[in-house]
Amino acid sequence: QVQLVQSGAEVKNPGASVKVSCTASGYTFTDHYIHWVRQAPGQGPEWLGWISPNSGATYFAQKFQDRVTMTRDTSIASAYMELSRLRTDDTAMYYCARDADRVVVSFDYWGQGTLVTVSS
Amino acid sequence: DIQMTQSPSSLSASVGDRVTITCRASQSISTYLNWYQQKPGKAPKLLIYGTSSLQSGVPSRFSGSGSGTDFTLTISSLQAEDFATYYCQQSYRNPRTFGQGTNLAIK
Repeated sequence: QVQLVQSGAEVKNPGASVKVSCTASGYTFTDHYIHWVRQAPGQGPEWLGWISPNSGATYFAQKFQDRVTMTRDTSIASAYMELSRLRTDDTAMYYCARDADRVVVSFDYWGQGTLVTVSS
Repeated sequence: DIQMTQSPSSLSASVGDRVTITCRASQSISTYLNWYQQKPGKAPKLLIYGTSSLQSGVPSRFSGSGSGTDFTLTISSLQAEDFATYYCQQSYRNPRTFGQGTNLAIK
């Protein structure tokens, strides 16, 4: 069965960076884009961008373009999202989600989430 | 960015009720609209993609309709496990954007 397993919770100081991992199993990793979505407490989800595990190509929401990096390691079927220059309003649950690879982009499998807390 | 507005923000209903949630886009998105269900402490779950296509494994009591700017999610007969928060999400243009959510609670 398809699974996305994320790394554990992180607590960071403002100005630091955080790197979250997402390890896929149950399907061919390079066949589906991976998206990253975050959700602040009590808020709706917010999309950060995607990475193609096949080519390594990325696309980021303009809001995060200067602070986010997405990479992948196909040898271990893992994708990574790094967010730099953290602020307190970056506190959120961060999810990776698999692109269902349909005409209408949708996210059919999600990781369990990684809570990132930014606090001094 | 395309803004997605859901109504109502919260809703109380009983098991067996028919429920409709509305999502409005700030500009036309054709039928590039998805619906997700989220339960507390869990990741969102895809219910409907492309406005009206049911994701595999999702019960047929869930249905979606609409086009352009106005969309609806309907649950034909509420079950206990349907009490959750529902989000719409547009896939017409980057950045992909979500609605603020509709919290469906037990009356």
